[in-house]
Amino acid sequence: GAGVSQSPSNKVTEKGKDVELRCDPISGHTALYWYRQSLGQGLEFLIYFQGNSAPDKSGLPSDRFSAERTGGSVSTLTIQRTQQEDSAVYLCASSLHGLAGNEQYFGPGTRLTVT
Amino acid sequence: DQQVKQNSPSLSVQEGRISILNCDYTNSMFDYFLWYKKYPAEGPTFLISISSIKDKNEDGRFTVFLNKSAKHLSLHIVPSQPGDSAVYFCAVASYDKVIFGPGTSLSVIP
Repeated sequence: GAGVSQSPSNKVTEKGKDVELRCDPISGHTALYWYRQSLGQGLEFLIYFQGNSAPDKSGLPSDRFSAERTGGSVSTLTIQRTQQEDSAVYLCASSLHGLAGNEQYFGPGTRLTVT
Repeated sequence: DQQVKQNSPSLSVQEGRISILNCDYTNSMFDYFLWYKKYPAEGPTFLISISSIKDKNEDGRFTVFLNKSAKHLSLHIVPSQPGDSAVYFCAVASYDKVIFGPGTSLSVIP
């Protein structure tokens, strides 16, 4: 596909369960980002992958959150032992190069609801 | 402590008039400034950007102004159209960090 895709589009899970969210960036984009948007809030940066460098995890809210990017392409964001405050829209974006001045292309997001 | 502020959570403008969205940041380390637009149930889309060496960048109906000394940027949309109704996020970036503002919801009234 031409754009960033994310799956699933919606996920409802019970508190305490683990969830995995997937992001397929635009082919050839070296940088990949995860954000979270809680209801009525702005975009909260979570993690940033650039090429083969170690990811910048400074935005992850707790150690229940982790992310991988395999082969420099697809990324998964894993949330362990989900809590109700994890309910949000999780957005993935990619850019051709790194952060500075490069526009990011966003996927449609995954809406996570923890009951 | 918010590093990027958009102090107007919402804005209503008549069709054909100018929309002005404002953004303030606290740290002078940022080199690039971007605006994104977001429709409901979609991811944000890039609109326009400016680097710190410029004070104005124009693209059609959209113009971004940067005042580095005031750490302030603004987005002007003229003339505003109903299809511009969306949430607008400013973002500030350096080589290793990007921070988004909380967004301003723009409604353009026909």
